[in-house]
Amino acid sequence: QSVLTQPPSASGTPGQRVTISCSGSNSNIGSNAVNWYQQLPGTAPKLLIYTNNQRPSGVPDRFSGSKSGTSASLAISGLQSEDEADYYCASWDDSLKGVVFGGGTKVTVL
Amino acid sequence: EVQLVESGGGLVQPGRSLRLSCAASGFTFSSFWMTWVRQAPGKGLEWVANIKLDGSEKYYVDSVKGRFTISRDNAKNSLYLQMNSLRAEDTAVYYCAREVDNDGFDIWGQGTMVIVSS
Repeated sequence: QSVLTQPPSASGTPGQRVTISCSGSNSNIGSNAVNWYQQLPGTAPKLLIYTNNQRPSGVPDRFSGSKSGTSASLAISGLQSEDEADYYCASWDDSLKGVVFGGGTKVTVL
Repeated sequence: EVQLVESGGGLVQPGRSLRLSCAASGFTFSSFWMTWVRQAPGKGLEWVANIKLDGSEKYYVDSVKGRFTISRDNAKNSLYLQMNSLRAEDTAVYYCAREVDNDGFDIWGQGTMVIVSS
């Protein structure tokens, strides 16, 4: 069981908006930044959102992140077929003294 | 080109040891924390360990403490993971990644597969 909690799956039709939640606690999300990773099938993860809501160069602006208290969320607006992937949230945990990941959310484009 | 390339994976019997390597290129290796993340077949990502710029600080996930050792050689632009007393549950693809302060892991290698089985 992962320290950060994500829904196992999410789906939408092309053009729709999909939101993925990530729930943690005071020792991780509540006091540290949240980062999001996208993992396309058969490939290494890729940094998608850093420091809660920042996009690395090259990441489309239809990906956005937010954080409030001990929860965070990733939104994909204008869903595209190439967005079919697994998405993971992650944060440093002050109690565990390590990085914790969510269990991952598989996004399916219907 | 900024790149990380892992090597050293393979099939190993339970209780034996294996050493993974990660060769960095295209950036100043000594200026970054480095990390290992693993992914068991069909499962999610699990952070394993990380190491400070000069190797003076290291952190591990509880499940590998006392068995795995992370190290680095800045002169060789290389990161290592010494894995001892391997267990079946250590079977996974192991990725090395570059850390950017608290801004996540921005560069990842392609991964190396470790299979622990008799």
